[in-house]
Amino acid sequence: NAGVTQTPKFQVLKTGQSMTLQCAQDMNHEYMSWYRQDPGMGLRLIHYSVGAGITDQGEVPNGYNVSRSTTEDFPLRLLSAAPSQTSVYFCASSYQGGRSTDGYTFGSGTRLTVV
Amino acid sequence: AQSVTQLGSHVSVSEGALVLLRCNYSSSVPPYLFWYVQYPNQGLQLLLKYTTGATLVKGINGFEAEFKKSETSFHLTKPSAHMSDAAEYFCAVKNNAGNMLTFGGGTRLMVKP
Repeated sequence: NAGVTQTPKFQVLKTGQSMTLQCAQDMNHEYMSWYRQDPGMGLRLIHYSVGAGITDQGEVPNGYNVSRSTTEDFPLRLLSAAPSQTSVYFCASSYQGGRSTDGYTFGSGTRLTVV
Repeated sequence: AQSVTQLGSHVSVSEGALVLLRCNYSSSVPPYLFWYVQYPNQGLQLLLKYTTGATLVKGINGFEAEFKKSETSFHLTKPSAHMSDAAEYFCAVKNNAGNMLTFGGGTRLMVKP
């Protein structure tokens, strides 16, 4: 039972490069989301999706794109990386489109450094 | 907009002492409240949650939290700290639409032998 799987675990990018952070879940969760974690700021929501084909912006969406073509996958794309995007990124998922009282299931994170 | 404030970014206790991690929230409607724990280099794990009903909720590893509406608080406690409790703890509130979980800044708990 894998839960939420994020790849890669670590990545170093040069300013201006692009990359995709992968997130996959095998729990048939409708709701998926991306957070970034920065010291002293907790986790901040970047984008979320309540089902395949539906995405929406969170608190800090600028510089990031997402798509949701399947229930299982929710990739996060950085089109032109900037040093301000150096952070730890977490993918999280949940049942019932996020309306449920369940907590989220989190992946183990991707540590991204932009130089 | 809802928000979560965790008082104290670092808390240090001795092994066997009481653990108290503070969380205050702002929300215009009755919230769903959560505590998560993050061990080094890992994702977040759910400790406990308050949705409706009993205001004192029990979670894993001996932790509990009490929802106090009048104080807009959801403080996390454990009667006796263990070395394995050393981690970062996050309080979070889910919005009324249920599509956004807002986190506090986190409290790093250190346990001294």
